[in-house]
Amino acid sequence: KNQVEQSPQSLIILEGKNCTLQCNYTVSPFSNLRWYKQDTGRGPVSLTIMTFSENTKSNGRYTATLDADTKQSSLHITASQLSDSASYICVVSAGGSQGNLIFGKGTKLSVKP
Amino acid sequence: DADVTQTPRNRITKTGKRIMLECSQTKGHDRMYWYRQDPGLGLRLIYYSFDVKDINKGEISDGYSVSRQAQAKFSLSLESAIPNQTALYFCATRRWDRDTGELFFGEGSRLTVL
Repeated sequence: KNQVEQSPQSLIILEGKNCTLQCNYTVSPFSNLRWYKQDTGRGPVSLTIMTFSENTKSNGRYTATLDADTKQSSLHITASQLSDSASYICVVSAGGSQGNLIFGKGTKLSVKP
Repeated sequence: DADVTQTPRNRITKTGKRIMLECSQTKGHDRMYWYRQDPGLGLRLIYYSFDVKDINKGEISDGYSVSRQAQAKFSLSLESAIPNQTALYFCATRRWDRDTGELFFGEGSRLTVL
């Protein structure tokens, strides 16, 4: 069964600190993996996409990694800001004509001053 | 203006009432989706449509129906609302011809069934 597991479920950090969110998946065939940021009460917005051949990709203070061998991805946030408080959702796209999307349940990050 | 617009944004209704949530998009995408989000459960797929004539059930379609009135419009109906349908509902679109899996979400419709 295709699954996406995220950890931790929630995380509280102080402003200015770094943090890393984890995403493990068992999806086959694998097409790509996206990280979304969802602010409270808003729709999710894509932060970055990782394809099979990519190991690391940065988007400002956000850096995503992908290890296709171990089927793990991480999202590292550097020098956190209050505006980083949100839920972060990992979504894996399965290959094929349907392009099924498998969602993780998200990690809720709270950045405190 | 938002690319994916949902109405209403908030709705409180009573058990047994019929409710329609509407979604319209200006992105020109062919694929549209309805998800519900519950605390601790994440986003779950209710229905999806690949074009006007193609409607598909998702993992939690029971108690819901949809209508794809045009490429740009996709409505979700609850024929007889029940309290466990209280949730945050999201419409999303996706482009297929250069698919990279990215979904574009609306702002959400918060539904409370009393």
